[in-house]
Amino acid sequence: QVQLQESGPGLVKPSGTLSLTCAVSGGSISSSNWWSWVRQPPGKGLEWIGEIYHSGSTNYNPSLKSRVTISVDKSKNQFSLKLSSVTAADTAVYYCARGNYLVGAIRAFDIWGQGTMVTVSS
Amino acid sequence: DIQMTQSPSSLSASVGDRVTITCRASQSISSYLNWYQQKPGKAPKLLIYAASSLQSGVPSRFSGSGSGTDFTLTISSLQPEDFATYYCQQSYSTPPAITFGQGTRLEIK
Repeated sequence: QVQLQESGPGLVKPSGTLSLTCAVSGGSISSSNWWSWVRQPPGKGLEWIGEIYHSGSTNYNPSLKSRVTISVDKSKNQFSLKLSSVTAADTAVYYCARGNYLVGAIRAFDIWGQGTMVTVSS
Repeated sequence: DIQMTQSPSSLSASVGDRVTITCRASQSISSYLNWYQQKPGKAPKLLIYAASSLQSGVPSRFSGSGSGTDFTLTISSLQPEDFATYYCQQSYSTPPAITFGQGTRLEIK
């Protein structure tokens, strides 16, 4: 079955760029799904960051759009997140997730990575 | 943006209780509503999609209902493993701007 695994630095300096990768195994990133990033600050709720289709089409959270870039590497079956100009407010567990069309045009996050903690600190 | 508001924010209940969690959207989202369960230190798990469809492998004591702006997640008979935080999530916006509710923490009474 499809599995997702996040990887990347656990510590990023303020004003720097957070970079994470999500490796997709057990299936193809070129399937008819959207691939998302979701984050969760310590003790808080879930926030959608953005998503990408294998074609390269993207959608971003309007509140983060100016700082976010999501890209896909079909040759490596993975997708990536870059978040620039980070501050302590970007400290969170970052999850990658598959957005699957389960009913018509309604999609849900049916597969999640285990999450990776990223701390923004000098 | 479409805002999702869950109530209550926290809830205490006992094993065997029937529990209902409500999610309200700031505008109509048809049935573009999903429910997730999250346990401490774990990724969220999909329970219900499209407002009322049970995800494969999820116990039948979980059910969802609603359409438009008002939705509910019901657990018919709480089990010890159900104590967790529950989130609703919409994907109706065009262009897509997915949003989650703030979460409902279900605790043991």
